[in-house]
Amino acid sequence: GESVGLHLPTLSVQEGDNSIINCAYSNSASDYFIWYKQESGKGPQFIIDIRSNMDKRQGQRVTVLLNKTVKHLSLQIAATQPGDSAVYFCAENNNAGNMLTFGGGTRLMVKP
Amino acid sequence: EAQVTQNPRYLITVTGKKLTVTCSQNMNHEYMSWYRQDPGLGLRQIYYSMNVEVTDKGDVPEGYKVSRKEKRNFPLILESPSPNQTSLYFCASSSSIKTGTDTQYFGPGTRLTVL
Repeated sequence: GESVGLHLPTLSVQEGDNSIINCAYSNSASDYFIWYKQESGKGPQFIIDIRSNMDKRQGQRVTVLLNKTVKHLSLQIAATQPGDSAVYFCAENNNAGNMLTFGGGTRLMVKP
Repeated sequence: EAQVTQNPRYLITVTGKKLTVTCSQNMNHEYMSWYRQDPGLGLRQIYYSMNVEVTDKGDVPEGYKVSRKEKRNFPLILESPSPNQTSLYFCASSSSIKTGTDTQYFGPGTRLTVL
């Protein structure tokens, strides 16, 4: 498949454990944040989003936490599965809400 | 099936030879965008369009052109490609990037190599 990045930070977890992927964003005026998952050979896939008026949002097996004080975003994946192995990107909405700026990505590797 | 399609998926060309990468979506989305993805740099936005005949520069627009004559299509044009435009390109669409409830759908990617 297509290579996403040769020197990405990598998180390696055991199947069944919880994963936490972190992201620092740059623009204190950003008001919308998204996590994407990118598998090898595919385009990014939406996972979960959160607005700046919230500090936590839960989906199925995933939770996003937002700390506006320190401009930090995290993605928690419960009971990580081999199918969760991918590169994960955070993105923030800026430029009056018309553009997304992506973080560099974190590679999640799940060991069976 | 709701999808974003890109063509071609792979392209090898030479410096200076004009090329177009097509992007089409079947979801009646107003917002469309082009990104390039490079190792160590993540995804960077090239151009975006909020609606037909409305296009705006993203973070890295130099060397690229776009057009939005129809709602479903958003081609990326490289008038005179150079080797530094060798990259993986993604098209994306969304009904709205601002609502916070609309998924941005990405195409499968186009791997471009400029020799």
